[in-house]
Amino acid sequence: KNQVEQSPQSLIILEGKNCTLQCNYTVSPFSNLRWYKQDTGRGPVSLTIMTFSENTKSNGRYTATLDADTKQSSLHITASQLSDSASYICVVSSAPGDYKLSFGAGTTVTVRA
Amino acid sequence: DAGITQSPRYKITETGRQVTLMCHQTWSHSYMFWYRQDLGHGLRLIYYSAAADITDKGEVPDGYVVSRSKTENFPLTLESATRSQTSVYFCASSEPTGGRYEQYFGPGTRLTVT
Repeated sequence: KNQVEQSPQSLIILEGKNCTLQCNYTVSPFSNLRWYKQDTGRGPVSLTIMTFSENTKSNGRYTATLDADTKQSSLHITASQLSDSASYICVVSSAPGDYKLSFGAGTTVTVRA
Repeated sequence: DAGITQSPRYKITETGRQVTLMCHQTWSHSYMFWYRQDLGHGLRLIYYSAAADITDKGEVPDGYVVSRSKTENFPLTLESATRSQTSVYFCASSEPTGGRYEQYFGPGTRLTVT
């Protein structure tokens, strides 16, 4: 069964600090990996999409990395802001054009002033 | 406004009642999806549609019915609501671009079945 595991489940950081979220997956075959940000009470919004040939992808202060060999990804948030408080969801697609996605349960990030 | 909308945003209903959640998108995307999100779980696919009049089951379809007579609308019906269907429901739409199916999500409907 395709699975996506995220860690930690939640974390609290001070404003201005950095943090890194982890994602391990067993989805096979692999097409692409996405990170979504979900604010409380809203739908997920895409941050990055990476194929197996892409090792890193940035979107502003968000940087995602991918190691397709070890089936691991990370999302690094630099110089956190209060608006970064949200759930971050790792999502894996198992084949090109496959719109059926495997979702992780998410990591809840709380940024405190 | 352009985008994807869901209605109602909040709904409380009783066990056994029929409930319909609405989803509307203005992008003319061919694909539309319904997910449910429960605490501690990732989003789970209920049904999806590749085009008008084409629908298929996802991971957790039991107890749900969908239809898609128009490209822009994709309603989800709970035929006889049960407490286990208390959840947050998200609709999404997608159009293949360069082989990547970027999905755009609506704001969600929080459904409580009492």
